[in-house]
Amino acid sequence: SQTIHQWPATLVQPVGSPLSLECTVEGTSNPNLYWYRQAAGRGLQLLFYSVGIGQISSEVPQNLSASRPQDRQFILSSKKLLLSDSGFYLCASRQGRGYTFGSGTRLTVV
Amino acid sequence: AQSVTQPDIHITVSEGASLELRCNYSYGATPYLFWYVQSPGQGLQLLLKYFSGDTLVQGIKGFEAEFKRSQSSFNLRKPSVHWSDAAEYFCAVARGIQGAQKLVFGQGTRLTINP
Repeated sequence: SQTIHQWPATLVQPVGSPLSLECTVEGTSNPNLYWYRQAAGRGLQLLFYSVGIGQISSEVPQNLSASRPQDRQFILSSKKLLLSDSGFYLCASRQGRGYTFGSGTRLTVV
Repeated sequence: AQSVTQPDIHITVSEGASLELRCNYSYGATPYLFWYVQSPGQGLQLLLKYFSGDTLVQGIKGFEAEFKRSQSSFNLRKPSVHWSDAAEYFCAVARGIQGAQKLVFGQGTRLTINP
């Protein structure tokens, strides 16, 4: 079965600073990978998904970017964080019809 | 556009009472449907899923859900809730063709349990 590792679990960053959140997947190969964001009191919004190395699709325009340098590695980045980037970020992996989620990163931009 | 609607933002029930959380979807084809639970500050745990076949699906922790195509619904039920069921519940539908499939979530329903 798939296991997703996300780090860090919590992060406090000043406005204008860069961001890099990493997600790695174990127990599968060639998965589809996803980044979701959950803003306070809101549902889960799909930010990016990837069907393979170097292939990134963006769902909504925003201040963030994603990269997939290796098959089981998915990175969420920003050059300059905004207050509105605060939220709970979840990485997910899909193999076949099953989805697995990481434990998330709580990002607070101050 | 495909979407998922959870009409109830917040529900409060007493411990031991029955529970039903509503979910309606808008999707042209036969959907793949999911219910997830999220405890505070945690990731998502899959409760159950529907792909095809029997429209009444059994999940973990005593939950079940029924797919009703005529009503475009996939409501989650539990006959008797426990205090530990207090959490946020998300309904989701998988949309898109196989290679580019993705999960679209409802806004979530927060469940509070009264002792």
